[in-house]
Order: sequence, then C-alpha cells, then structure tokens
Amino acid sequence: GAVVSQHPSWVICKSGTSVKIECRSLDFQATTMFWYRQFPKQSLMLMATSNEGSKATYEQGVEKDKFLINHASLTLSTLTVTSAHPEDSSFYICSAPDGGAATDTQYFGPGTRLTVL
Amino acid sequence: LAKTTQPISMDSYEGQEVNITCSHNNIATNDYITWYQQFPSQGPRFIIQGYKTKVTNEVASLFIPADRKSSTLSLPRVSLSDTAVYYCLVGGPNTGFQKLVFGTGTRLLVSP
Repeated sequence: GAVVSQHPSWVICKSGTSVKIECRSLDFQATTMFWYRQFPKQSLMLMATSNEGSKATYEQGVEKDKFLINHASLTLSTLTVTSAHPEDSSFYICSAPDGGAATDTQYFGPGTRLTVL
Repeated sequence: LAKTTQPISMDSYEGQEVNITCSHNNIATNDYITWYQQFPSQGPRFIIQGYKTKVTNEVASLFIPADRKSSTLSLPRVSLSDTAVYYCLVGGPNTGFQKLVFGTGTRLLVSP
C-alpha cells in the first residue's frame, strides 16, 4: 500500500521554541492531509485538515496561530508547533488519502513524539 | 459525523477468533465503515472497509447487518502480535471528505 512518512520521529525541545514536523506521501499525491494529536492511552484527536495550496481548516478548540500548517506541495504538509510548552508534549500523527473518493484508503504516518521540557 | 461505540477492552488467547462489535446508530446512507489497528507509538494501520453485508481480506472479515447500525470486525486465530487498539470509523462523502473522527477504540490483549 501507499506510504506516508513523518520527520522527525521524535523531538525534544525547550519551552518557548518552535518545532516543525513534516508529513510526506512517498508514492502518491495528496491534495488533502490530516493532522492528529494523541495523548498517552487516549484516542487520536483530529487537529486540522491540510489543503494543498490553500489555508488549513482547524477543528474547534485548536489554535491556528499555535499550530501552523503549510501544505506547499502535493506530497508535503508541515505542522509547526510555535512557542511550544510542556502541555504540547504529545504524539503527532498525519494521514493522507490516496485518492479523491471518500472510500479511498487513508494512510497514516508513523507519528512524531514531541517532548517539550 | 456518525458516532461510534465500541467496548473499551477485550481479552483473548492465541488461536482464538476475536469479534469486536461497533455500534453506529446514526450512520448516513453514504457512509462507509472502516477499521484501523494501532500499536503503541505507531500510526494506525488500515485493516478493512465495507459498506454492507460481508467483506473479507487476508487479515480480517467485516460483517455488516442490513440496517448498518453496527458492524463486527472478526480476527481469525489471533496471535500475540494482534495485541493492539482497534478503531471503528464511519464516514463518507457527506462527512467532510474523508475526515476521520476516532472514537475510544477497543484495546485487545492476546495472551499465550
């Protein structure tokens, strides 16, 4: 099946700094990608929908100025956590559907573990 | 978006068949049912998808009754490596272009 990669797989940063996480679709193009956050022992929570060439759509309660999303190409979306704080420590996962239909399989990246000290 | 309800956890033993049922009472006409598997510190992995009746692939079967208000994921002869969290999701063209909303999932523990 299709492959979605994330980089880095883990990152540790100091409070107040910004961290960028990349999500790439390796063998298919994705006009839409999704970003999720997952805390320990909890389910995935959808944060935002990343749209190639246009602004991201954020879920209710997610600060768009804190979680900057850029979908500059059909294979790359980035999530930047600005002015990170310890409460932002989490597992961030991206996903991308491999086609245009709602029934197309959606592939998930391996996730990025962010730890803010 | 259709809400799903699953058991929080299930226990099984190696070699047994495991059936995980998901309730989705307000599923829309155009919605499909998709199941994902997630291991700790990994992204979810697609298992199976269906619309009605029965779907089978190399790893699982999905049973969907006529009213589509529930679905059952069947894992034949589970092994220790099937210990994971299983998510049932419902979505379609009218629910935001493949935007997936994850429920609590079912934590399956397979013991020797």
